[in-house]
Amino acid sequence: GESVGLHLPTLSVQEGDNSIINCAYSNSASDYFIWYKQESGKGPQFIIDIRSNMDKRQGQRVTVLLNKTVKHLSLQIAATQPGDSAVYFCAECLISGYSTLTFGKGTMLLVSP
Amino acid sequence: ETGVTQSPTHLIKTRGQQVTLRCSSQSGHNTVSWYQQALGQGPQFIFQYYREEENGRGNFPPRFSGLQFPNYSSELNVNALELDDSALYLCASSYGGTGKETQYFGPGTRLLVL
Repeated sequence: GESVGLHLPTLSVQEGDNSIINCAYSNSASDYFIWYKQESGKGPQFIIDIRSNMDKRQGQRVTVLLNKTVKHLSLQIAATQPGDSAVYFCAECLISGYSTLTFGKGTMLLVSP
Repeated sequence: ETGVTQSPTHLIKTRGQQVTLRCSSQSGHNTVSWYQQALGQGPQFIFQYYREEENGRGNFPPRFSGLQFPNYSSELNVNALELDDSALYLCASSYGGTGKETQYFGPGTRLLVL
C-alpha cells in the first residue's frame, strides 16, 4: 500500500506486482517532464520522458501518463522487481528556450520478494 | 554508471568555513549542472555551466559559486558555510546547455556542516 512517511511518501509492493507512482507538478506552463530513479548512494538516473503533446509514452517495463488538465504525471512499472526499489522523482521544465529542471519531492518504492 | 565522477564522496566542515567540490563530466559533454539535495527532498538546481560560462542560476545566494574548466570539469565553491548547507551535492553533465537536455548525474558529495 501507499503511505506518507516522515520524509517521503512510500509505496510498498510485492515482486511481480505492477507499481504506479504519482506526481503532481507545479507549473501549468511546463511542457516537458522526466522521471528519474535514485538508488541509495547514487545520483538520479534518467528513466523516461514525455512532452506535453503526448498523454502516454512507453518504455521497457515503464509507462508514463500525463494529465495536463489536473497537472498530474504517473509512472507505471510492470512486473516490479527488487532492483526497482529506489526513490523516484518527477521533474518538469519548459521545452522552449532556456529552462532548468524542477524536481518533485520523490516517492520511495519498496519491493519485497 | 554515467561516467560522471565527483570528489570527495563525503566531507565534514564547520560553520563559517569554505568548501570546494569537484566534478568530472562525461566524455563529450560540454555542460555541467549542480544541484543541492537535502535529506528527503528532490534535487534543487543551483547553477549550470556551459562552455565555461554560467548560463543559468537557481535561487541560491552568491556565496555559492562555480567554475568550469576547458576540459568541462567543474567546481562548486561554497563560502561562509551554514548548518543548512548540509546536503548531498550532485553534479550532472550533459550536452547542449539548454537546461533541460538529458542530464547524467554523478554519485554526489555528501557535505555535513557542524
